Amino acid sequence: EIVLTQSPATLSLSPGERATLSCRASQSVGSYLAWYQKKAGQAPRLLIYDASNRATGIPARFSGSGSGTDFTLTISSLEPEDFGVYYCQQRYGWPSLFGGGTKVEIK
Amino acid sequence: EVQLVESGGDLVQPGGSLRLSCVASGFTFSDYTLIWVRQAPGKGLEWISYITSTSGTIYYADSVKGRFTISRDNAKNSLYLQMNSLRHEDTAVYYCAREKKWEVRGGYYSDYWGRGTLVTVSS
Repeated sequence: EIVLTQSPATLSLSPGERATLSCRASQSVGSYLAWYQKKAGQAPRLLIYDASNRATGIPARFSGSGSGTDFTLTISSLEPEDFGVYYCQQRYGWPSLFGGGTKVEIK
Repeated sequence: EVQLVESGGDLVQPGGSLRLSCVASGFTFSDYTLIWVRQAPGKGLEWISYITSTSGTIYYADSVKGRFTISRDNAKNSLYLQMNSLRHEDTAVYYCAREKKWEVRGGYYSDYWGRGTLVTVSS
């Protein structure tokens, strides 16, 4: 199975700062990678699909990049509503595992 | 408006059974692949099962294989998860989600999710 490792585990930032989240796959997943945002008590929200495409309604401050084994989610300028946990998920093979998550918290 | 609403979560004893339902509206249910994902308390997201539009292809995570069964009734716009031989570690919020593919050469991703239903396995 393909394991996804996310780093850092926690990111402490202030509103307006840039957030850079990493997701590394144990083997190549091509561009078959998504990023989700998860807040407590809410459903996951799809942000990025196919590594770099923003999902419907996702603000332009969210961007995804990478291919193969190394991927990055960038939030260019954090808004208060962006704090939460971010997960990457590979859709290259089964099982379709999620990474362990990166918590973005208010500094 | 696309909606997915899970139900059926409850407190159940270890070894017991439970059936979760997910009722969909706002889209042509029979056109879409659907999945179940769970999140245990304080843990991350765990993909657990997948079913294609005609139920022709089904996958399970190793953690639930042989104990859980996914099914759907396209006439009722409903997705199900039959959970047997429940264990403490199955305690989680269970989400259903719709899968969508945007690009011809792209992958399938979960674009709409329900709010989840809580399953607690405890004696």
